[in-house]
Amino acid sequence: KNEVEQSPQNLTAQEGEFITINCSYSVGISALHWLQQHPGGGIVSLFMLSSGKKKHGRLIATINIQEKHSSLHITASHPRDSAVYICVLSGTYKYIFGTGTRLKVLA
Amino acid sequence: DAGITQSPRHKVTETGTPVTLRCHQTENHRYMYWYRQDPGHGLRLIHYSYGVKDTDKGEVSDGYSVSRSKTEDFLLTLESATSSQTSVYFCAISEGQGFNEKLFFGSGTQLSVL
Repeated sequence: KNEVEQSPQNLTAQEGEFITINCSYSVGISALHWLQQHPGGGIVSLFMLSSGKKKHGRLIATINIQEKHSSLHITASHPRDSAVYICVLSGTYKYIFGTGTRLKVLA
Repeated sequence: DAGITQSPRHKVTETGTPVTLRCHQTENHRYMYWYRQDPGHGLRLIHYSYGVKDTDKGEVSDGYSVSRSKTEDFLLTLESATSSQTSVYFCAISEGQGFNEKLFFGSGTQLSVL
């Protein structure tokens, strides 16, 4: 059984829609990261969460440690948000990567 | 930005040849990682380093070796490349721990083994 599961695997949305990407995990963690990877591009860290909620621009990330679940929300989605979003579990200098959610936002 | 540079960005090689990928950082971070990224898989750890000459294996280390003779450089070597090692390779650095932990990634190396 995978230690981290992301859903959905693929998501197509219309510009302006509210988007939610989910990450569920089954192991203890010290933190959880959300990464963004544009097609053919590098990987950028969006958030690091150890509890609660963080917001950056149109992006919001939440984590519920008791339920072992995190969500990444994108408000007022835009075509430039099209990317793969990756959830990463953090232990003590060890990381477990989800397989990613491929998001396509249509104009 | 942890000042990470990966080289080369692209490499095409033949089966059986040795290949070395380089990860260079400018910020004296202790922990460095090599991952490979393949369709249908999350990034998978090949090897990591926690200091000069201190390295350890990850989950997919067979066929790979690493060296870290200086804090700033972490080298990944494929001793005899195989087609199964065709992949995108990422170097990463972690900084801090707990509530101030950060992850930084290099731009990736697209390696094709023919």
